[in-house]
Amino acid sequence: AQSVTQPDIHITVSEGASLELRCNYSYGATPYLFWYVQSPGQGLQLLLKYFSGDTLVQGIKGFEAEFKRSQSSFNLRKPSVHWSDAAEYFCAVVPNQGGKLIFGQGTELSVKP
Amino acid sequence: EPEVTQTPSHQVTQMGQEVILRCVPISNHLYFYWYRQILGQKVEFLVSFYNNEISEKSEIFDDQFSVERPDGSNFTLKIRSTKLEDSAMYFCASSMSLAGASEQFFGPGTRLTVL
Repeated sequence: AQSVTQPDIHITVSEGASLELRCNYSYGATPYLFWYVQSPGQGLQLLLKYFSGDTLVQGIKGFEAEFKRSQSSFNLRKPSVHWSDAAEYFCAVVPNQGGKLIFGQGTELSVKP
Repeated sequence: EPEVTQTPSHQVTQMGQEVILRCVPISNHLYFYWYRQILGQKVEFLVSFYNNEISEKSEIFDDQFSVERPDGSNFTLKIRSTKLEDSAMYFCASSMSLAGASEQFFGPGTRLTVL
């Protein structure tokens, strides 16, 4: 069955430190891959997406993600975290034929001064 | 910038009551979705809707649930007889197409509390 795994439920980093949030997917073919962010009281905002081509994709707010087919991973990174990045981050996939998003469990990011 | 809106932001209801959650998708979008997130759990797909009919639905979307696009702007989710386990955040989303590359835009959600 298709699934998305985010192994880290909660991560705390210091402001200015680098960040990597992990995401692994289980799917027969390469799906479309997404990272969404949810701030308290807000909806889900798309950070970036991967369809094909360059495996390193750039997104909004200084985030990037790298697709690694051999590891079925799509990890999210940011070189220097800001306090405003504190939020919940969701990795998601859409099968090749399109349609519903399948979400991971989410990773809650806390940023300490 | 166009956005998806949802009303109400918070709905409290008694078990067994009917609730209708409302969404206004982005105006030129053609595909509409409902997702839900039970507290502490992942966001789960409920249903997708296109051309006035359901495109796909999950196992969660049983006979107690229905969706409707009553006019050219609103997209509603109805729960006929709410259960305690229906308490969750419900998100509406819309997209231009069903293709995997088409971004789904999400509303801020409606928090449903069933007592």
